Amino acid sequence: SAVISQKPSRDICQRGTSLTIQCQVDSQVTMMFWYRQQPGQSLTLIATANQGSEATYESGFVIDKFPISRPNLTFSTLTVSNMSPEDSSIYLCSAKKGTGGRVEQYFGPGTRLTVT
Amino acid sequence: GNSVTQMEGPVTLSEEAFLTINCTYTATGYPSLFWYVQYPGEGLQLLLKATKADDKGSNKGFEATYRKETTSFHLEKGSVQVSDSAVYFCATITQGGSEKLVFGKGMKLTVNP
Repeated sequence: SAVISQKPSRDICQRGTSLTIQCQVDSQVTMMFWYRQQPGQSLTLIATANQGSEATYESGFVIDKFPISRPNLTFSTLTVSNMSPEDSSIYLCSAKKGTGGRVEQYFGPGTRLTVT
Repeated sequence: GNSVTQMEGPVTLSEEAFLTINCTYTATGYPSLFWYVQYPGEGLQLLLKATKADDKGSNKGFEATYRKETTSFHLEKGSVQVSDSAVYFCATITQGGSEKLVFGKGMKLTVNP
């Protein structure tokens, strides 16, 4: 299994500022992801965080707005840049572990962001 | 691409009531299907999964059967408890071998004593 922690758990930020969210996994994982969960909506994949290289972004998400780092196999950060109220969401870190038929995906508790 | 559609809530039940949460999928082939649960203040947890047609996933008294005839993966529990209050997400895997999860909109369940 894998236990994922995120910091901060919540924050209230002013528009135009940036927030960096940290994600720490308690063991080495093969893949790490960042999701967004807007109020009353499902989870949307923002990007796959690649260790030692640029993240792979999903359609509708760009690096300038959501820069991501993954310096090693257990840690990643997501920055929400130049925030607007539309960025108010829960941001979840996720990690995939295992191989073949025993792959499991785990999720962090989320970071609840409110932009005023 | 592959997708899931699940019934939306919120739903409120009394303790010991029967629960069904509907989920149907649209997919090329037969991708794995999942139910995730998100308890208040916590991250998503895998509740159960099925990797091929006719498989039944089960955990904590919940069950779901992968039915290709009806393209469904409905979640059921015979007797819910207050501790089952949570948001439930149906999910599948995207096409193309990237193995990324695609989620339904989630359904909030509240169980009253």
